[in-house]
Amino acid sequence: EAGVAQSPRYKIIEKRQSVAFWCNPISGHATLYWYQQILGQGPKLLIQFQNNGVVDDSQLPKDRFSAERLKGVDSTLKIQPAKLEDSAVYLCASSLVGGEKLFFGSGTQLSVL
Amino acid sequence: AQTVTQSQPEMSVQEAETVTLSCTYDTSENNYYLFWYKQPPSRQMILVIRQEAYKQQNATENRFSVNFQKAAKSFSLKISDSQLGDTAMYFCAFMISWNTGKLIFGQGTTLQVKP
Repeated sequence: EAGVAQSPRYKIIEKRQSVAFWCNPISGHATLYWYQQILGQGPKLLIQFQNNGVVDDSQLPKDRFSAERLKGVDSTLKIQPAKLEDSAVYLCASSLVGGEKLFFGSGTQLSVL
Repeated sequence: AQTVTQSQPEMSVQEAETVTLSCTYDTSENNYYLFWYKQPPSRQMILVIRQEAYKQQNATENRFSVNFQKAAKSFSLKISDSQLGDTAMYFCAFMISWNTGKLIFGQGTTLQVKP
């Protein structure tokens, strides 16, 4: 079974630039999550999708972050414009339904200079 | 609001020995779920073990077991017969609702297994 795919693996940008991350969940998984993991901290949920609808985006900084999940499969997370404090690993996860076992991707490490 | 605290930033253990990682949490809910995740340098979070709060019996998965103390809101992970491959960051996590699947993570404990 293929796992959760994320790209790119690394990204370096300057502050005020834009960046986008891509996630392809495990086939058939209805629920998709984006987590932000700042160095030395545990991951924090940014947004959760059920199929192509948003379930929870209460911790997403909506003035600069946006996410979409077209056709209930792939998802993209965008930051525009980036700030220094956005430097982190962005993890994508998926599950069949709700809290059923989550499968994580290897993340995208973002460095904002 | 729910919080998860891991008070040991770093720990080390000799290969084949036993180590215990600590975790405490705070919640006013009665039903919830607790997890331990492993994050190796590859960054991929891997589920180690899961505990449902309504179950009194402590969960076990091969060399991994937990000590769940609901009244004390404590959830420690014991790794027996430590192996070099156990070297990783370990996160304790809390889930309030199975329907939402939202995980709240602690700060993590870096475990190094020494040969």
